Amino acid sequence: DVKVTQSSRYLVKRTGEKVFLECVQDMDHENMFWYRQDPGLGLRLIYFSYDVKMKEKGDIPEGYSVSREKKERFSLILESASTNQTSMYLCASTEGGATGDTEAFFGQGTRLTVV
Amino acid sequence: QKEVEQNSGPLSVPEGAIASLNCTYSDRGSQSFFWYRQYSGKSPELIMSIYSNGDKEDGRFTAQLNKASQYVSLLIRDSQPSDSATYLCAVNPTGGFKTIFGAGTRLFVKA
Repeated sequence: DVKVTQSSRYLVKRTGEKVFLECVQDMDHENMFWYRQDPGLGLRLIYFSYDVKMKEKGDIPEGYSVSREKKERFSLILESASTNQTSMYLCASTEGGATGDTEAFFGQGTRLTVV
Repeated sequence: QKEVEQNSGPLSVPEGAIASLNCTYSDRGSQSFFWYRQYSGKSPELIMSIYSNGDKEDGRFTAQLNKASQYVSLLIRDSQPSDSATYLCAVNPTGGFKTIFGAGTRLFVKA
């Protein structure tokens, strides 16, 4: 059974803290993504990676950074958490290929609250 | 204009009826189209993908694509209460790695 696993289901952090969200996939997928999901706004892409040590900005990268040191692991970093980063964060992965016409597998999500 | 637009709903249908979910997209060169289902508190899961004009059927689900009109839809026949969820339309724009998601349509199937 294919799996994308996020390190935490729920997190509560204080304003200004550095926050790490971890994601691991066991499908040997090339591409990995971080989205945030807010009511009425759908899934918005923060960053994605199509190879180890490669990263590309998505639509809303401000306030975030990412790290991909190994193919199976993609980390999202909030350098200094702010209340407007309270959201559901979803990690996803897809197979390799520039066309991107493959199914996205999602992790279970991390609900982050910044107080 | 949003890249992928959906009616947020909620759409309410009685059990056994046909539910029709609609989506429009802005990138005319898009090639890949997907419908994901997301239950409350859960992650999205793929239910249909479609790449060419016309209809694609899988069990009770039918995806319809009209590239000229930049329109993709999902029909759910014999709707069941277990179909109650948010349905996300997703599009891969021209030459892109990334998938653009709509905001989703909430569907309620009343028993």
